[in-house]
Amino acid sequence: GAVVSQHPSWVICKSGTSVKIECRSLDFQATTMFWYRQFPKQSLMLMATSNEGSKATYEQGVEKDKFLINHASLTLSTLTVTSAHPEDSSFYICSAPTSGGLHGTDTQYFGPGTRLTVL
Amino acid sequence: QKEVEQNSGPLSVPEGAIASLNCTYSDRGSQSFFWYRQYSGKSPELIMFIYSNGDKEDGRFTAQLNKASQYVSLLIRDSQPSDSATYLCALKAAGNKLTFGGGTRVLVKP
Repeated sequence: GAVVSQHPSWVICKSGTSVKIECRSLDFQATTMFWYRQFPKQSLMLMATSNEGSKATYEQGVEKDKFLINHASLTLSTLTVTSAHPEDSSFYICSAPTSGGLHGTDTQYFGPGTRLTVL
Repeated sequence: QKEVEQNSGPLSVPEGAIASLNCTYSDRGSQSFFWYRQYSGKSPELIMFIYSNGDKEDGRFTAQLNKASQYVSLLIRDSQPSDSATYLCALKAAGNKLTFGGGTRVLVKP
């Protein structure tokens, strides 16, 4: 399958600071990437769709000024959690769809995730 | 009613048995369906996708799709302890978004 990387894999920060998470598609180009958040024992929650060359699209209830998304190139999207607070502590996962494939089915591959702990 | 529904489990199966997971969905226009496996503390990994009615087999996994009844299922044959994980059903919605079910936790007991 396709490979998606994330960096860092984990980060601990103080309350009030900002944290940047990178998501890269290593062996394919992705005009769209997705950012998810997952709290313990809960399912994935889509936060936003990152679009190369245009603004991100945020899901209802997600603060766009707090979670800044930049899709800098066809292989890189970044999520910046600004002024992080303990309630932002979560597992952040990105995904990227490959295009084409058999019968044109797009398939999403996930990065390994970033565990954020805000003290 | 949730868009994608799964029994949360846990589904306990003895080693070597068949694990059967079900998923129902509400959007009749859905075309592509995916099964992901997620180990605790890890991100989801794709097991397989299916878009045509019927069965699709890949190794020990078989996905079954019935669009008329709006369900998709996953069978795991010869279950192994390493199959113990949460299995997520997803369908592709508009804009390439995936809509996930809540996941079914599977426990394979030696």
